[in-house]
Amino acid sequence: TQLLEQSPQFLSIQEGENLTVYCNSSSVFSSLQWYRQEPGEGPVLLVTVVTGGEVKKLKRLTFQFGDARKDSSLHITAAQPGDTGLYLCADMNRDDKIIFGKGTRLHILP
Amino acid sequence: NAGVMQNPRHLVRRRGQEARLRCSPMKGHSHVYWYRQLPEEGLKFMVYLQKENIIDESGMPKERFSAEFPKEGPSILRIQQVVRGDSAAYFCASSSWTSGRINEQFFGPGTRLTVL
Repeated sequence: TQLLEQSPQFLSIQEGENLTVYCNSSSVFSSLQWYRQEPGEGPVLLVTVVTGGEVKKLKRLTFQFGDARKDSSLHITAAQPGDTGLYLCADMNRDDKIIFGKGTRLHILP
Repeated sequence: NAGVMQNPRHLVRRRGQEARLRCSPMKGHSHVYWYRQLPEEGLKFMVYLQKENIIDESGMPKERFSAEFPKEGPSILRIQQVVRGDSAAYFCASSSWTSGRINEQFFGPGTRLTVL
């Protein structure tokens, strides 16, 4: 069974700072996804990455996929309070089940 | 709002009662998935359904849990004789189908079940 480990578990930083969170898989990703989940809501897909070594940018968010397709990082530049939430990495398998990590809970202090 | 709808948003049950959670997929979506998020745990896949068919129920507990997606109406996740350990947030997701592949899953806001 594939395991996704995310670190850190919790992160609290000041507005304007940069941060990076990590995701490591026990096996090669089929299709790496990152989601953000706000309190009381369901997860919202941020990005899907398939190719090893690929870098995708979404405004102030930069997603990097490791060459071996077993790890990923999410970097946020100049964090804002609106970035607060639970960041989940996930693998969408060929059988369409999504396997999620436990997430990094990010809190941006104004 | 054309998003995935779930109701109720919050549900309180006493041990031994039944819980029924409803999910209306996005318009045009024929695939429904249920996930459970236990406190301090990640989201875990439970079941994947298409209209009138269970495609994959490998994540469903063997007893007390069942799911359906009838030809008409919402998908239902049913938990019989609830126990405290069933307290969790239950999320439904839906997707459409394009020839040869399944598309992005869109998640609903969840139903938070509390068992007293």
